[in-house]
Amino acid sequence: EVQLVESGGGLVQPGGSLRLSCVASGFTLSSSWMHWVRQAPGKGLVWVSRISSDGSRTVYADSVKGRFTISRDDAKNTLFLQMNSLRAEDTAVYYCARYNIGQLDPWGQGTLVTISS
Amino acid sequence: DIVMTQSPLSLPVTPGEPASISCRSSQSLLHTNGYSCLAWYLQKPGQSPQLLIYLGSNRASGVPDRFSGSGSGTDFTLKISRVEAEDVGVYYCMQGLQTPLTFGPGTKVDIK
Repeated sequence: EVQLVESGGGLVQPGGSLRLSCVASGFTLSSSWMHWVRQAPGKGLVWVSRISSDGSRTVYADSVKGRFTISRDDAKNTLFLQMNSLRAEDTAVYYCARYNIGQLDPWGQGTLVTISS
Repeated sequence: DIVMTQSPLSLPVTPGEPASISCRSSQSLLHTNGYSCLAWYLQKPGQSPQLLIYLGSNRASGVPDRFSGSGSGTDFTLKISRVEAEDVGVYYCMQGLQTPLTFGPGTKVDIK
């Protein structure tokens, strides 16, 4: 079964850091383009970042550029999102998802990140 | 960035009746493969989004045939032929043609 499982969320003070993980099973990350999408409480879906199948190309939303870093460890079949200089507006459920032409599927169950003092 | 709009934003439905949601993109979503890079998702309460339709009109694996997608270019429609109680949630369209991937604001479907 193709599956993604995120972890690493939690409560962090403004200015702090977190690293999210997304473990893939049923497929190999090294053959897939992967994305992070977030959803603030009660709000819609917002794209955050993307990494190419070979890990050489990354793209970020303007709102996180310079603060977040997407990466992958193919040996562990795991995707990461390193989040630094966190702000209250980064509070959201973060989902990882696999990209195929024109679609994201599957999605993980999400991990909640709360930024508050 | 490609802007996605949806209508209506709220849709009360009666079980057994049809329902329809419209999605529009600010640019054509036509891929070089001839398909439109438009996907539909349903997010049930407390769950992650689940893929319903990809490339505009293809039902994802396991999706009931009461769901259908149509349209091309910039105008798309999701139809439910006969709504069931389990179909409640928020429906999103997403353009998958270029980054940043962008989503419509969502259509909340609930039972009348």
